[in-house]
Amino acid sequence: AQSVTQPDIHITVSEGASLELRCNYSYGATPYLFWYVQSPGQGLQLLLKYFSGDTLVQGIKGFEAEFKRSQSSFNLRKPSVHWSDAAEYFCAVGEESNTGKLIFGQGTTLQVKP
Amino acid sequence: DAGITQSPRYKITETGRQVTLMCHQTWSHSYMFWYRQDLGHGLRLIYYSAAADITDKGEVPDGYVVSRSKTENFPLTLESATRSQTSVYFCASSARGNQPQHFGDGTRLSIL
Repeated sequence: AQSVTQPDIHITVSEGASLELRCNYSYGATPYLFWYVQSPGQGLQLLLKYFSGDTLVQGIKGFEAEFKRSQSSFNLRKPSVHWSDAAEYFCAVGEESNTGKLIFGQGTTLQVKP
Repeated sequence: DAGITQSPRYKITETGRQVTLMCHQTWSHSYMFWYRQDLGHGLRLIYYSAAADITDKGEVPDGYVVSRSKTENFPLTLESATRSQTSVYFCASSARGNQPQHFGDGTRLSIL
C-alpha cells in the first residue's frame, strides 16, 4: 500500500536558521507530491506541488522542495526561518490509482525559537 | 470571494443527536472530500466524491453519511453523534484527480 512518512514529529529551529523537513513516500510511477502548511485553527494551505519536470520546486512563503526519485524523498527546505513559519507541515502524495485522493503523512510540527 | 467555506465553524451537541456539517465551494471542482483531524491520527479521510451523485467511502466512514446533489455542496451528517466523533472536520475540493486539494477552515465539533 502507498504510504508517506514524515520521520520528524517535532522540529525546533532558531529564527533565521535554515530548515529541512523530511518526507519519504512509496509509489510505483512518477508521483504527484504536495506540501501543505497548517497554522493553528486554520485549514491546510498548499505550499508547493510536484508533478513532473524540474525536480526543484519553488513554492509560496520562500519554501522549496526537491524531488529525489532514487531516495523516494520530497524534502521541504527554507533558507531562513521566520517566527511566522511555526506551524504543522504535511507531505502528501496522490493515490496511484488516480482516485483523486491524497495520502498524507502524519505531519511535522515546527517550533521557531526567537 | 471564491473559495471553499465550511459551516458552522464551531458546534457543540449531545450524544445521539443528528448534526450536519456544511461545505460549499465556488470553483465548480469535481472532487470533494471530508476529513477528520485528531491528535495522534493526523488527517483521516471520511468520504469523498468524484462528481455530483457519486460518493465513496474513505478510511473512517462509519457513523457518517454524505450526499452530493449539487457540484458545489457536500454536506456531512452524523446521524447519531457519539463522543468519539468529537474532532475537527475539514472539507476540501480539487479540480480533478492528482490535483491539489483546497481546504476549508474546518469545523470544530464537540459532542458531550
